[in-house]
Amino acid sequence: DAGVIQSPRHEVTEMGQEVTLRCKPISGHDYLFWYRQTMMRGLELLIYFNNNVPIDDSGMPEDRFSAKMPNASFSTLKIQPSEPRDSAVYFCASSSPRGQVYEQYFGPGTRLTVT
Amino acid sequence: RKEVEQDPGPFNVPEGATVAFNCTYSNSASQSFFWYRQDCRKEPKLLMSVYSSGNEDGRFTAQLNRASQYISLLIRDSKLSDSATYLCVVKDTGRRALTFGSGTRLQVQP
Repeated sequence: DAGVIQSPRHEVTEMGQEVTLRCKPISGHDYLFWYRQTMMRGLELLIYFNNNVPIDDSGMPEDRFSAKMPNASFSTLKIQPSEPRDSAVYFCASSSPRGQVYEQYFGPGTRLTVT
Repeated sequence: RKEVEQDPGPFNVPEGATVAFNCTYSNSASQSFFWYRQDCRKEPKLLMSVYSSGNEDGRFTAQLNRASQYISLLIRDSKLSDSATYLCVVKDTGRRALTFGSGTRLQVQP
């Protein structure tokens, strides 16, 4: 089975540009999470969706960040305009609500560098 | 204060050694606990869940102390392949989201 797919794997952009990160969750999973990981702050939850509906976006740093999930198999995280402090690895993860299993399956991440 | 706190390490141990990591969490309403493993420049992956009575998976033993809000992971007979960052993870009641500690880095040396 395919795992969580993210694209692009690496993105280098200049300050002020728009960046769009993409995620395809595991088929059948109805929870999708976006995380950001930096050396200073570790792994931080940005937002998560259940059945394509945003449930908690309290981790989204500011209005420059937005996330959408138009259908069960696709989500985007957009940063506009990007800033150097947005440089990080962005992970998407998905999970299924089966029983007491809370395991989250992570994608390989997108390494974003904003210069 | 961070919700989940871990010693960042690194812990440098020889092959075959026993090593223990600790983690404390601040929310007494936390419901579920896990250890995830993250290899260098890779994504985190679930290592094991942590149950109230303690649990073992091969060379790995996890323990939970709810009264002290403390979680531990013990690795016996360390292998080179155990070198990674170990993330302590907590799930609060009523939330689907997980809260991750910053991780403890382990380096097993030949």
